[in-house]
Amino acid sequence: DIQMTQSPSCLSSSVGDRVTITCRASQSISTYLNWYQQRPGKAPKLLIYAASSLQSEVPSRFSGSGSGTEFTLTISSLQAEDFATYYCQQSYNTPPIFGQGTRLEIK
Amino acid sequence: EVQLVESGGDLVQPGGSLRLSCAASGFTFSTYWMSWVRQAPGKGLDWVANIKQDGSEKYYVDSVKGRFTISRDNAKNSLYLQMNSLRDEDTAVYYCARPNRAQSRHSFDIWGQGTMVTVSS
Repeated sequence: DIQMTQSPSCLSSSVGDRVTITCRASQSISTYLNWYQQRPGKAPKLLIYAASSLQSEVPSRFSGSGSGTEFTLTISSLQAEDFATYYCQQSYNTPPIFGQGTRLEIK
Repeated sequence: EVQLVESGGDLVQPGGSLRLSCAASGFTFSTYWMSWVRQAPGKGLDWVANIKQDGSEKYYVDSVKGRFTISRDNAKNSLYLQMNSLRDEDTAVYYCARPNRAQSRHSFDIWGQGTMVTVSS
């Protein structure tokens, strides 16, 4: 199975900050990489698919980049509603493994 | 409105069985791969199983192989997960999930609200 490793596991930031979360795959997955946001008690929400494609109705402050084994999710200017947990996920093959998550907290 | 609604979660003893259901609406269910994804309390997301549009292909995570069975009824727009020989470590919220395109399998843009399965004596 392909392993997905996110860093950092936890991040403290302030409203208006620029934030970057990194995801590494244990082998090349081309651009078969998705990013999700999950708020407490809620289902995950797809933000980015195919490494850099913005899902419909997701604000443009979210962006994704990368290919092969290294990927990043960037939030250009944090808003209050962005404090949540973020997961990467490979969709290259089965099983579609998720990263362990990055908890984004208010500083 | 595109929607997935899970049901069937409950408290069950180790070794017991449970059947989860997911009712789909607002889209052509029969044209999508469908998946189950679970999340143990305080933990991350774990994909469990998926099933092809016509039910001819099914895949499972190793930890549930031989114990869980995914199925679907396209006439009823419904997805199911039969869970047998349940273990403590199966305790989780179970989500059904739909990919964002009919030709995709694993990029999930539609999720249900989740149903809680608790395995405990």
